[in-house]
Amino acid sequence: EAGVAQSPRYKIIEKRQSVAFWCNPISGHATLYWYQQILGQGPKLLIQFQNNGVVDDSQLPKDRFSAERLKGVDSTLKIQPAKLEDSAVYLCASSLNSQREQYFGPGTRLTVT
Amino acid sequence: QKEVEQNSGPLSVPEGAIASLNCTYSDRGSQSFFWYRQYSGKSPELIMSIYSNGDKEDGRFTAQLNKASQYVSLLIRDSQPSDSATYLCAVTDYTGANSKLTFGKGITLSVRP
Repeated sequence: EAGVAQSPRYKIIEKRQSVAFWCNPISGHATLYWYQQILGQGPKLLIQFQNNGVVDDSQLPKDRFSAERLKGVDSTLKIQPAKLEDSAVYLCASSLNSQREQYFGPGTRLTVT
Repeated sequence: QKEVEQNSGPLSVPEGAIASLNCTYSDRGSQSFFWYRQYSGKSPELIMSIYSNGDKEDGRFTAQLNKASQYVSLLIRDSQPSDSATYLCAVTDYTGANSKLTFGKGITLSVRP
């Protein structure tokens, strides 16, 4: 069974530029998550989708971050404009439903200079 | 604000010893409990899930849950240098179909050869 796919794996941008990340979850997983992980901390949930609907985006900085999962499968997370403090690893995870185990993709390491 | 605390660490044990990792959580209504292992530069990998009070064993790993004390632990028997990693405790609240996973900040384990 293929795991969660993410791209790109690494990205370096200057502040005020925009960036987009892509995630393809495990086949059949209805719930998809985007996390931000800063070095030395646990992952912080940014947004949670159930199929193509948003169920939790309370910690998403909506003035600069946006995410979509239009067909209920793959998803994109965008940052525009980026700030220095956005430097982190962005993890995508999926699960059969919100009560079940989450499986993580390899992550995208973003550096904002 | 639901919290997951992993306050002890870093932890260093000799090869072959038992490593004991502890986690407490604030939300009495929490339903599902997970331990993830994260190697440096990698994404979290699920190693144990536990849903009811008591012990759950899987190979060298044992998860212990005590809901009355709001405490979950992970024991690693016969610790190996390959077990050296950060271990993340994660707890799911229950808000119906849209439960949310909250991570602790992790505890770093080092197994000395």
